Amino acid sequence: SQTIHQWPATLVQPVGSPLSLECTVEGTSNPNLYWYRQAAGRGLQLLFYSVGIGQISSEVPQNLSASRPQDRQFILSSKKLLLSDSGFYLCAWSVLGVTNEKLFFGSGTQLSVL
Amino acid sequence: QQQVKQSPQSLIVQKGGISIINCAYENTAFDYFPWYQQFPGKGPALLIAIRPDVSEKKEGRFTISFNKSAKQFSLHIMDSQPGDSATYFCAASNGGNDGLTFGKGTHLIIQP
Repeated sequence: SQTIHQWPATLVQPVGSPLSLECTVEGTSNPNLYWYRQAAGRGLQLLFYSVGIGQISSEVPQNLSASRPQDRQFILSSKKLLLSDSGFYLCAWSVLGVTNEKLFFGSGTQLSVL
Repeated sequence: QQQVKQSPQSLIVQKGGISIINCAYENTAFDYFPWYQQFPGKGPALLIAIRPDVSEKKEGRFTISFNKSAKQFSLHIMDSQPGDSATYFCAASNGGNDGLTFGKGTHLIIQP
């Protein structure tokens, strides 16, 4: 069966510090991978998605970047965090093809930038 | 531009009652409409989904009603239970690689 791992679960970082959140998927090959951010009252905002190794599409211009160094690994990064980067970050995957609208989410990372 | 509008933002229902959450969309290219359930501190999980070729889909106590002409769809939770207390998101997709467009969520509380 497929599983998605996301870590860390919680993170407190000072303004201006770097960020690295990692997500890995097991039990599937060549998935589409996604990073969403959830802020209170704003729902789920798509940040990045990837259809393959090294292929990143950005949905929102911001202080963050994403990379996909391996087929089932997706990393969210920042060089210098801002207060506005605080939120609940969710990684998700879907199977490329006819079922690519069915997203399966990880357990999320609660990021607090102070 | 918000492509999927969800209401209400919060909802309190008595145990055993019917919970109703509504969503409206603008993009006529959307052809898949799921609902996700999220408990505190967890990622959203797919609850039920519908395609526009049917007007209703039922799974247990959960029903989606779909009105293609009005571009609206809703989630009905029958016999609501305290364990249904969660945040519910509607979403829509046109099958593209950019995944789902989500509504802003509804915080549902079922009072015992």
